[in-house]
Amino acid sequence: SQQGEEDPQALSIQEGENATMNCSYKTSINNLQWYRQNSGRGLVHLILIRSNEREKHSGRLRVTLDTSKKSSSLLITASRAADTASYFCATGTSYDKVIFGPGTSLSVIP
Amino acid sequence: EAGVVQSPRYKIIEKKQPVAFWCNPISGHNTLYWYLQNLGQGPELLIRYENEEAVDDSQLPKDRFSAERLKGVDSTLKIQPAELGDSAVYLCASSLERGPGPYEQYFGPGTRLTVT
Repeated sequence: SQQGEEDPQALSIQEGENATMNCSYKTSINNLQWYRQNSGRGLVHLILIRSNEREKHSGRLRVTLDTSKKSSSLLITASRAADTASYFCATGTSYDKVIFGPGTSLSVIP
Repeated sequence: EAGVVQSPRYKIIEKKQPVAFWCNPISGHNTLYWYLQNLGQGPELLIRYENEEAVDDSQLPKDRFSAERLKGVDSTLKIQPAELGDSAVYLCASSLERGPGPYEQYFGPGTRLTVT
């Protein structure tokens, strides 16, 4: 069974706009990670946020974590066509187990 | 630094045939994962190794799937016999884990298996 669930399932925006995707999970976590997967390519780690952190930035990426609501959001600012990909949240539970959600498919239109 | 290497990249076999996938993790990474990814879904863990020990194989269908990680480096995942429902992408990942985790994982390009 999958721990995390991304929302929306699919998102289409114009280049230059911001993209926000959310992840909700069910049980307590040690950390939460976001990964990106381009068409035909492998998964790439984007950012890791620990359970005692509330916000983290990396370049154009901003991740928030609300453990009371069991949710996280990934914001991509000033999107580019190259950001077109599937984005997965992966919840890190105890025992070093990581569970991936089904992903959000992002299309950035030039 | 070389990434995670997997081979083959693509494999087409008939049902009931055996198939094997190979993975070489990033040098020095002590933890290795095998995942299965169906189209439009996230990766699902099959097995996790810490060095040579399989520490989580609860999702591995042991009647037909087997895996090994000899000497704690390379790993092989085998399916025998393959079924139509095994068609998917098989991903290998590795991580360097020191202390409480989980840690970020580095993924290989995957092997796309088609069972006909």
